[in-house]
Amino acid sequence: DTGVSQDPRHKITKRGQNVTFRCDPISEHNRLYWYRQTLGQGPEFLTYFQNEAQLEKSRLLSDRFSAERPKGSFSTLEIQRTEQGDSAMYLCASSSSGTENYGYTFGSGTRLTVV
Amino acid sequence: GNSVTQMEGPVTLSEEAFLTINCTYTATGYPSLFWYVQYPGEGLQLLLKATKADDKGSNKGFEATYRKETTSFHLEKGSVQVSDSAVYFCALHSGAGSYQLTFGKGTKLSVIP
Repeated sequence: DTGVSQDPRHKITKRGQNVTFRCDPISEHNRLYWYRQTLGQGPEFLTYFQNEAQLEKSRLLSDRFSAERPKGSFSTLEIQRTEQGDSAMYLCASSSSGTENYGYTFGSGTRLTVV
Repeated sequence: GNSVTQMEGPVTLSEEAFLTINCTYTATGYPSLFWYVQYPGEGLQLLLKATKADDKGSNKGFEATYRKETTSFHLEKGSVQVSDSAVYFCALHSGAGSYQLTFGKGTKLSVIP
């Protein structure tokens, strides 16, 4: 078990470009979450998958954001037409059904800088 | 809706000092409460948790007690070390059909020798 892996660790992109991040959860975890963390703030929930189904989305997830988990394993988060306000750390977490009361396992995050 | 309020930082303490980081919450139902820690350049790590009123979570010398009457979950440690320097986040999971964690803004702790 290598924990939750996120790739890339850092991404610098020009405003208006599209970016895609990948998350590989702990293999036996069927639930996967995306959060966004801006400087000086706590993580904010973006979306949640159970297996391949996206079951919950935050209002923060605008039309420019899309997330997938096609085979119920890894997930991708795509941001289209990036804006400077999208600059943040994007965190992925995973858990098993019924263990939410025991906390999630977070990855180290992808830091996005939009210039 | 759910919310978590943490004391403002940064907090600077000398090694072996006593630490308290206040956390209060607003939630529907009976949430589970967590403290996460984020060391520089790393992801969030679960530090401790409590799932019902009067439970005490503890780990690595840190403790927090779930106080339903005051809706609080204050983090304490009797003697901090330089290695405890990090950002600490209080969070809740309300259940009730939602799987998201609600986090506070974080409190940065710096421990000086």
